[in-house]
Amino acid sequence: NAGVTQTPKFRVLKTGQSMTLLCAQDMNHEYMYWYRQDPGMGLRLIHYSVGEGTTAKGEVPDGYNVSRLKKQNFLLGLESAAPSQTSVYFCASSYPLSGGANTDTQYFGPGTRLTVL
Amino acid sequence: AQTVTQSQPEMSVQEAETVTLSCTYDTSESDYYLFWYKQPPSRQMILVIRQEAYKQQNATENRFSVNFQKAAKSFSLKISDSQLGDAAMYFCAYRSGAGGTSYGKLTFGQGTILTVHP
Repeated sequence: NAGVTQTPKFRVLKTGQSMTLLCAQDMNHEYMYWYRQDPGMGLRLIHYSVGEGTTAKGEVPDGYNVSRLKKQNFLLGLESAAPSQTSVYFCASSYPLSGGANTDTQYFGPGTRLTVL
Repeated sequence: AQTVTQSQPEMSVQEAETVTLSCTYDTSESDYYLFWYKQPPSRQMILVIRQEAYKQQNATENRFSVNFQKAAKSFSLKISDSQLGDAAMYFCAYRSGAGGTSYGKLTFGQGTILTVHP
């Protein structure tokens, strides 16, 4: 049981380049989230998904797109990277359909540090 | 929209002593959940403790306990017998309890860096 994994762990891009961050979870969770962490601002929600094939905007969605073609995977895309997108990105998941205690607890991946030059 | 404020950017404590981290939040809801997450230098986000707003009893997890003051919208974290391994960034987070529309989304505070001195 690997929990939540993220690929890659580090990446450096040039302005205007594109890339995709991959998040995978093996806990059969329905909900998945992408956050970004910036100094002094905590974590802010970019996009989220409440099930396979569904996505919705969070607090700071501009410049990002997401897809959830499979329940266990949630992809975050940057079509044209900008220096303002330099950040640490976290994926999280929650809400196993099987129920149990604390179904609302979010489990986080290890993060991806992205630098846009 | 809900907001979460952590007014202490940094705190320090001596090993074996007790420290309290502050968190206040703003909401018009009566049903919600509050969390404290720990982020050590490894960057991994680790759930420390959770509190349901409808429960009057303060949550405790071993050396970690909270002081939940619903009327004051305050949710502080107390760490007793501090250990070197407690050094980390701590985040307070809010989750709406609004039925099926909140989808578990979290609103985080800015974080507090805790340093533990030997």
